[in-house]
Amino acid sequence: KAGVTQTPRYLIKTRGQQVTLSCSPISGHRSVSWYQQTPGQGLQFLFEYFSETQRNKGNFPGRFSGRQFSNSRSEMNVSTLELGDSALYLCASSLSGHGETQYFGPGTRLLVL
Amino acid sequence: GENVEQHPSTLSVQEGDSAVIKCTYSDSASNYFPWYKQELGKGPQLIIDIRSNVGEKKDQRIAVTLNKTAKHFSLHITETQPEDSAVYFCAASMDKLTFGTGTQLKVEL
Repeated sequence: KAGVTQTPRYLIKTRGQQVTLSCSPISGHRSVSWYQQTPGQGLQFLFEYFSETQRNKGNFPGRFSGRQFSNSRSEMNVSTLELGDSALYLCASSLSGHGETQYFGPGTRLLVL
Repeated sequence: GENVEQHPSTLSVQEGDSAVIKCTYSDSASNYFPWYKQELGKGPQLIIDIRSNVGEKKDQRIAVTLNKTAKHFSLHITETQPEDSAVYFCAASMDKLTFGTGTQLKVEL
């Protein structure tokens, strides 16, 4: 079975721009969670989607948003980028979330200049 | 919300020695505790997990223990090898994963 895939792997943007990241979960997995990883804050939960609905949300500003499609693929969007948004963005999939094993993708490295 | 503390932040051991990483959590409702290994340039990889109805779990050289009363859990790696060098994260979850701050493990020859 193919693992979690994320595109693009690397991205450079400038302040004020917006960005969309994509995540394809493991086949059959319906839950997709997104995390931000930075040296200072570590791994922080952004949000979780299940069956096209946001089921859980972390403490991030409204500039961070996401969605999930009927095939379980998910995208996250960051608008009005700030320097502090530079991070590794990871998505993880699981069968149905809620205490089940989450499998992570390789991440998208975002650099905001 | 949940808060997970992890210690130590760095750990250096000789090949063949054991390594122990400890985590504490704050929310007694958390019932799932995975451990992840992250190598440079890669996403976290699950190495072992434990649920709140189990006190100990072992998989070859890796074991995890859970003390629900004290709200702490530990990762034990025996007979360490150079390929065990990586950053290890603990996490606690009821509905979403809250991660510890990570432990940089270095296994020296």
